[in-house]
Amino acid sequence: TQLLEQSPQFLSIQEGENLTVYCNSSSVFSSLQWYRQEPGEGPVLLVTVVTGGEVKKLKRLTFQFGDARKDSSLHITAAQPGDTGLYLCAGRFLRAGTYKYIFGTGTRLKVLA
Amino acid sequence: DVKVTQSSRYLVKRTGEKVFLECVQDMDHENMFWYRQDPGLGLRLIYFSYDVKMKEKGDIPEGYSVSREKKERFSLILESASTNQTSMYLCASSLGLAGVRGETQYFGPGTRLLVL
Repeated sequence: TQLLEQSPQFLSIQEGENLTVYCNSSSVFSSLQWYRQEPGEGPVLLVTVVTGGEVKKLKRLTFQFGDARKDSSLHITAAQPGDTGLYLCAGRFLRAGTYKYIFGTGTRLKVLA
Repeated sequence: DVKVTQSSRYLVKRTGEKVFLECVQDMDHENMFWYRQDPGLGLRLIYFSYDVKMKEKGDIPEGYSVSREKKERFSLILESASTNQTSMYLCASSLGLAGVRGETQYFGPGTRLLVL
């Protein structure tokens, strides 16, 4: 059972458009991270959110952690071809008395020039 | 900068072969991880190690084993490769626990393994 579901799985948009990617779970996370993975490379951390309702901005990227800490979103404004890649959320949660760290299913974004 | 290197970018093996995937990190990190990455499933943890000669099973350890004889090196072993082990394998390392106080895992570029 995948605890972190991301949607959409694939997204292809034109340069300049806005988009939102979602990361959802039925579990409560103590923290949530977003990574971007470019072709031929490993994932690289973009941001960490830890407080319910927290919003962080990284240039044209806006990350939000849900109030109940069960979901998160990534919004990209005026997407550029350089934003192309696989976006992964990852979170830390408590299960059976032990903290686990898991990755989401991923959203593959392609921005067309 | 943290650097995590993996011994091969691409590997093609036959069913039943023994396969070794090597990973080396240069930042003296305590923790090392092996994941496999498949479309639509994200990254799934195979094994991890939090110290030399220590190992813990992840979520999908079946068919794999690991070795950590030195702090900087973590090897993934497929004792008898099968076609369902065709995948992208990613190695990662971290100093602390990912997700705690912004700590992250640092990843290598991956090894794409094809088992025929």
